Amino acid sequence: EVQLVQSGVEVKKPGEPLQISCKGSGYTFAAFWIAWVRQMPGQGLEFMGIIYPGDSDTRYSPSFRGQVTISADKSISTAYLQWSSLKASDTAIYYCARHQKGDYSRPSGMDVWGQGTTVTVS
Amino acid sequence: DIQMTQSPSSLSASVGDRVTITCRASQTISRYLNWYLQEPGKAPRLLIYTSSILQSGVPSRFSGGGSQTDFTLTISSLQPEDFATYYCQQTYSTPYTFGQGTKLEIK
Repeated sequence: EVQLVQSGVEVKKPGEPLQISCKGSGYTFAAFWIAWVRQMPGQGLEFMGIIYPGDSDTRYSPSFRGQVTISADKSISTAYLQWSSLKASDTAIYYCARHQKGDYSRPSGMDVWGQGTTVTVS
Repeated sequence: DIQMTQSPSSLSASVGDRVTITCRASQTISRYLNWYLQEPGKAPRLLIYTSSILQSGVPSRFSGGGSQTDFTLTISSLQPEDFATYYCQQTYSTPYTFGQGTKLEIK
């Protein structure tokens, strides 16, 4: 079964660092783009950025560049989302998702989603 | 960034109704438009990609269309499990922006 499994609930204080993870299984993790998506309480979906685990090519949304770091370790089929100093406004559910391949292997729709990691900063 | 605007933001309908949600891009995105459904407390799931291609396992009552800047998602006959929030997303250029969502509620 193709799946993404994310790390568990986090409760942190402002200013603390944090890294959450997303582990893929059932497919060649290195060969598909992985996205991170934020959902603040009661709000919609926000695209944060994507990474290609095969070569760690990373693209950030301008809204999140400099605020978070996206990385991946293809040897253990895991992607990461990292903050160096959390703010209360980082409180949200964070999803990782796999982009399926479209034309010429460009990213297409997100066909596999993690269960979400709830981050509370207070 | 490409801005994605969905309409309506919310919609009330009855089981068996036909409903259409629209999504407009701020610039041309060819057919690189995807639709997702999100039930409360759950992760989103992909319904349609590349404007009109039904994801495997998605019921045929869902259909999508459009190109360039204007797109639609149509549900031909609403079922109880369809009452949820729907999002469009462009994958034409990064950042792959989402629409603000359309909440479909039972009338």
